[in-house]
Amino acid sequence: GQQVMQIPQYQHVQEGEDFTTYCNSSTTLSNIQWYKQRPGGHPVFLIQLVKSGEVKKQKRLTFQFGEAKKNSSLHITATQTTDVGTYFCAGNAGNNRKLIWGLGTSLAVNP
Amino acid sequence: GAVVSQHPSRVICKSGTSVKIECRSLDFQATTMFWYRQFPKQSLMLMATSNEGSKATYEQGVEKDKFLINHASLTLSTLTVTSAHPEDSSFYICSADDSNSPYGYTFGSGTRLTVV
Repeated sequence: GQQVMQIPQYQHVQEGEDFTTYCNSSTTLSNIQWYKQRPGGHPVFLIQLVKSGEVKKQKRLTFQFGEAKKNSSLHITATQTTDVGTYFCAGNAGNNRKLIWGLGTSLAVNP
Repeated sequence: GAVVSQHPSRVICKSGTSVKIECRSLDFQATTMFWYRQFPKQSLMLMATSNEGSKATYEQGVEKDKFLINHASLTLSTLTVTSAHPEDSSFYICSADDSNSPYGYTFGSGTRLTVV
């Protein structure tokens, strides 16, 4: 079935270091969304990418959508302790409104 | 922006009892609501898709008689966990398909269910 692989599963960094998580879909996606979930909280929408090769930035966060619309990445520059949480990618395939979720990357930041 | 209100946020119930979780779209009409469950340190797992006025569509492996979904209006969808057991303890999250949202989905804040 359709699935989205996400790596790494866990990442520990020192505050100030960069962080990247990658998603790879088994099928072409019509869009890719990124969510952040803090411990004990619910997923919070960060961004959606729709176009092939699209790159979007939000302050220290950079999101990319691959040319083939099968992979995506989230890069955080100079991590801060407030970046702690689990980052999920999720996407739609075709016109199907069900989101296909990645397994998430848990980020720990040591002060 | 669009808001989905989910209640209760936390519930502890005894084994064998039923628990109802409500999700309300406060300022938009949600024709479709997705229900997820999430175990600790895992991703969201879609349980079912509910459409207003029709029967919910359950994902493979999800017992429809155990997880009753009702979507009687465009602003309210409910999930009832019947005859709850400790293995049903989980984090349940609803998500409304919102055509007015720039990305289409608005999530509730989740319900943490503990069955003792």
